[in-house]
Amino acid sequence: QKEVEQDPGPLSVPEGAIVSLNCTYSNSAFQYFMWYRQYSRKGPELLMYTYSSGNKEDGRFTAQVDKSSKYISLFIRDSQPSDSATYLCAMSAPSNTGKLIFGQGTTLQVKP
Amino acid sequence: AAGVIQSPRHLIKEKRETATLKCYPIPRHDTVYWYQQGPGQDPQFLISFYEKMQSDKGSIPDRFSAQQFSDYHSELNMSSLELGDSALYFCASSLESGGPNEQYFGPGTRLTVT
Repeated sequence: QKEVEQDPGPLSVPEGAIVSLNCTYSNSAFQYFMWYRQYSRKGPELLMYTYSSGNKEDGRFTAQVDKSSKYISLFIRDSQPSDSATYLCAMSAPSNTGKLIFGQGTTLQVKP
Repeated sequence: AAGVIQSPRHLIKEKRETATLKCYPIPRHDTVYWYQQGPGQDPQFLISFYEKMQSDKGSIPDRFSAQQFSDYHSELNMSSLELGDSALYFCASSLESGGPNEQYFGPGTRLTVT
């Protein structure tokens, strides 16, 4: 079983919808949680970074971490066709020297 | 803003050949990570360097080696290439003394082994 689980989708939504992306994890040592967006054949782009539990908002994006449930989420409000990409969650523990453990990625398509 | 630079962007090699991938981190970043991403897969950590010293090692084959130089750029050397080495290779950099683990990825090198 992978340390980080993420539904690969694909997820298809109409433009303007609220999108919810989720990951679960098994390693309770994870303290740092990130969401990356990756367009086809491009490098992952850091969207959100959260330390420990709580919420963080940046524009149309909101990241939530629930360490008690080992569950993290990314919400995208007013989704746009340009949001169509693969979204990867990634995590790290303080003892991990920074290496990231990624989820499988969820492919999102926002239809005009 | 300056980003992580990787070269070459595309590389085609034959089996048993050698390849060298280069990574130039964001200016002032002192930590470099290498990841391998197979088709339809998530990135897998290979190796990392902090201040020119290897800081961690993941599932990197013995055929691969890497180093970080005095100007903080890094090179990943891959020998005796196998078909299964075909993948996207990403380099990421971070500032160790800044926000922990905020890694910024380069555009990747697509390696094709034939």
